[in-house]
Amino acid sequence: ETGVTQSPTHLIKTRGQQVTLRCSSQSGHNTVSWYQQALGQGPQFIFQYYREEENGRGNFPPRFSGLQFPNYSSELNVNALELDDSALYLCASSIDRGQETQYFGPGTRLLVL
Amino acid sequence: AQKITQTQPGMFVQEKEAVTLDCTYDTSDPSYGLFWYKQPSSGEMIFLIYQGSYDQQNATEGRYSLNFQKARKSANLVISASQLGDSAMYFCAIGSNFNKFYFGSGTKLNVKP
Repeated sequence: ETGVTQSPTHLIKTRGQQVTLRCSSQSGHNTVSWYQQALGQGPQFIFQYYREEENGRGNFPPRFSGLQFPNYSSELNVNALELDDSALYLCASSIDRGQETQYFGPGTRLLVL
Repeated sequence: AQKITQTQPGMFVQEKEAVTLDCTYDTSDPSYGLFWYKQPSSGEMIFLIYQGSYDQQNATEGRYSLNFQKARKSANLVISASQLGDSAMYFCAIGSNFNKFYFGSGTKLNVKP
């Protein structure tokens, strides 16, 4: 059984650019959640996708957007990058919405210069 | 809204001894799940243990056990027989059918030889 994978592992961008991060969910999982983890902090919920529809969003501006595909993989897009967007971006998949256990990928480290 | 509080920024424990990591939570949802994750320096979030709010018995997974006190809204993680590989950040999280996952700020555990 393949676990959650994310790409790329590291990324360097400059302020104002756009970035796309990718996540493949674990086999049999239909729900993907994205988190931003700044250095020294706990993960902050960005949004969740369930069966290709957004199923909740945290306190992030609209320049953070996402997609979920029919195979339940997902993308996180961030437009107009700011220095504070530098963080570890974690993707997690679960067998369903709600209080099901979320299994995390290795993360993408984004640095905005 | 939901909230997780971890009051211990850092903890030290001697190898082979037990350690308790504290977690308190606040939620208005009648049904919820409590989770503990381990995050080594590599960044990946590793699922350790789950406790459902209606579970009568405390959850256990190998050397990990969850001391769940519902009336006090606490869900402390107990690690028995600490090993050097247990040195990492530990996060408590809460999830429910009505709200998404919220993480605490984490506790950094250092296991001393």
